[in-house]
Amino acid sequence: GAGVSQSPSNKVTEKGKDVELRCDPISGHTALYWYRQSLGQGLEFLIYFQGNSAPDKSGLPSDRFSAERTGGSVSTLTIQRTQQEDSAVYLCASSQRGVRGSNQPQHFGDGTRLSIL
Amino acid sequence: EDQVTQSPEALRLQEGESSSLNCSYTVSGLRGLFWYRQDPGKGPEFLFTLYSAGEEKEKERLKATLTKKESFLHITAPKPEDSATYLCAVQGMGKTSYDKVIFGPGTSLSVIP
Repeated sequence: GAGVSQSPSNKVTEKGKDVELRCDPISGHTALYWYRQSLGQGLEFLIYFQGNSAPDKSGLPSDRFSAERTGGSVSTLTIQRTQQEDSAVYLCASSQRGVRGSNQPQHFGDGTRLSIL
Repeated sequence: EDQVTQSPEALRLQEGESSSLNCSYTVSGLRGLFWYRQDPGKGPEFLFTLYSAGEEKEKERLKATLTKKESFLHITAPKPEDSATYLCAVQGMGKTSYDKVIFGPGTSLSVIP
């Protein structure tokens, strides 16, 4: 497809389990972002990848969260030893560089709804 | 620290009743201000990018404007299908995180037939 794809769309797991969330960005987009959105809340920045540069991990809430991006394309967000407060929608977005040097608008997937029992 | 606030938190309009949503921002040099629309269960959908004060963009019943401290999203004669959460985001020039995009909490708009 032409848009950002995320999988799974829904994930229910028990507290303490590890989860992996996947994001397939739009082909050719060099930038990839992960956000977390809790019920009724805004988007909380988690991590950002730009090309081959070191990722900006400044938004990761704890060392239980990690992300990687393989081959400059697909990204996986991993949450280890999940806690109930990790329950949220995890959104991925991709964008490309614009002529002004800033990134073009982000294109979002529909997210993974994560529920921790 | 870069910051984005939006008001009101929620807005209820009658169909055809025009209004405006506000986005106030604090950023160390603005590289871009973005407006998105988010429907329930979906990811945000891009609407506009504004780069400098005085700039305006229009799309159907929506018009976005920008000053040095805030942006407005004007909705003219809204229809029920305009009901959604509208998100504002900014990208600054801070050296510590050059490409980070900061989102506001959003305004939930309901348009009643």
